[in-house]
Amino acid sequence: AQKVTQAQTEISVVEKEDVTLDCVYETRDTTYYLFWYKQPPSGELVFLIRRNSFDEQNEISGRYSWNFQKSTSSFNFTITASQVVDSAVYFCAQGTGNQFYFGTGTSLTVIP
Amino acid sequence: KAGVTQTPRYLIKTRGQQVTLSCSPISGHRSVSWYQQTPGQGLQFLFEYFSETQRNKGNFPGRFSGRQFSNSRSEMNVSTLELGDSALYLCASSLAGQSYGYTFGSGTRLTVV
Repeated sequence: AQKVTQAQTEISVVEKEDVTLDCVYETRDTTYYLFWYKQPPSGELVFLIRRNSFDEQNEISGRYSWNFQKSTSSFNFTITASQVVDSAVYFCAQGTGNQFYFGTGTSLTVIP
Repeated sequence: KAGVTQTPRYLIKTRGQQVTLSCSPISGHRSVSWYQQTPGQGLQFLFEYFSETQRNKGNFPGRFSGRQFSNSRSEMNVSTLELGDSALYLCASSLAGQSYGYTFGSGTRLTVV
């Protein structure tokens, strides 16, 4: 069965701390895509990153970094030096071109 | 360039009524997908349209339907509304399909009373 698990429901950190959001997925597909989205209080989901299953190279983009490990079916997301504007709900998603499955989200609060 | 536009932003309907939600994708995007977001179930895929054809469908009853027009604008219809249909309905557009990543709209908040 396809499933995406974000075990952390809520996380609070103090500004400038680093924080890692966990994502574990289950799939029988050999080719698939992984995504992270951010949903600020305004409600609109914002695309952060896309990764295909053949590309296990980790990526850093500014304060954001992603660690994809196919062997453990994990696709974790780290924010370094967190800021108040990072406060949002973060969703991990996995799927193929036919259908995507979202995790239940991790609510991140960055305390000034 | 304009983002994904959903109308209306808020809607209150009575049980048994029907409702139509509208979504205008980013110009040039041919794929439009719909998701239902609730606190209990999270984000659940409803369906995807590409070039006026439904390409994929999630596990929702037949009361949920949609269509896409030649200009890629999409509508979603829910008939015989139930209290459990209260949710945020999100539309997302993509250049050619879900695997390219979505751009989401701000959603329509539907409340069924």
